[in-house]
Amino acid sequence: QQQVKQSPQSLIVQKGGISIINCAYENTAFDYFPWYQQFPGKGPALLIAIRPDVSEKKEGRFTISFNKSAKQFSLHIMDSQPGDSATYFCAASNQGTSYGKLTFGQGTILTVHP
Amino acid sequence: SQTIHQWPATLVQPVGSPLSLECTVEGTSNPNLYWYRQAAGRGLQLLFYSVGIGQISSEVPQNLSASRPQDRQFILSSKKLLLSDSGFYLCAWSVGLADPLRLHFGNGTRLTVT
Repeated sequence: QQQVKQSPQSLIVQKGGISIINCAYENTAFDYFPWYQQFPGKGPALLIAIRPDVSEKKEGRFTISFNKSAKQFSLHIMDSQPGDSATYFCAASNQGTSYGKLTFGQGTILTVHP
Repeated sequence: SQTIHQWPATLVQPVGSPLSLECTVEGTSNPNLYWYRQAAGRGLQLLFYSVGIGQISSEVPQNLSASRPQDRQFILSSKKLLLSDSGFYLCAWSVGLADPLRLHFGNGTRLTVT
């Protein structure tokens, strides 16, 4: 019940295209859903996050869509750029009881071709 | 500003040898500290977390242990390494009562057990 399932494992997109990564969770106690971006040889860094009281959050070219009834959320990268090539992780936590512990998805390797 | 230091960057150790990975945080007090392991295709797995000096919680049974001898120092250890301990180890910190939660990761240690 603590799992977060992420798909696809890898994604290839042309420059200017839309990248979409999906995640699903089971634990209805989760109330915080961040996305992390990781470049090779570096640790992950927080990209954008959402709480279940809203269905969408946008920051620049990055948008999280959240479907509470389906227990799914997704990351959309508009106008994808070669510099967006990285591994993306979705995650979830129960902020009230988890001491900040995040359950991560398996990761998606995004490659944006010029 | 806050920074996190993790070393070494890479490590090759024989089976049965001991392990000590160190992580230190600067610029913040009483952080929550975490050790994660990243395996290919399996995302980020939380190994240990700590909310204060000497307070360690283990998330999964394993051949590893963690200690927090000082407020901003977190150490990952093993008495005898196994082949299955190979992986990418990431230390992270967060502010204890931050909302929303943001994990700040180090650049990791690539451990290869031969």
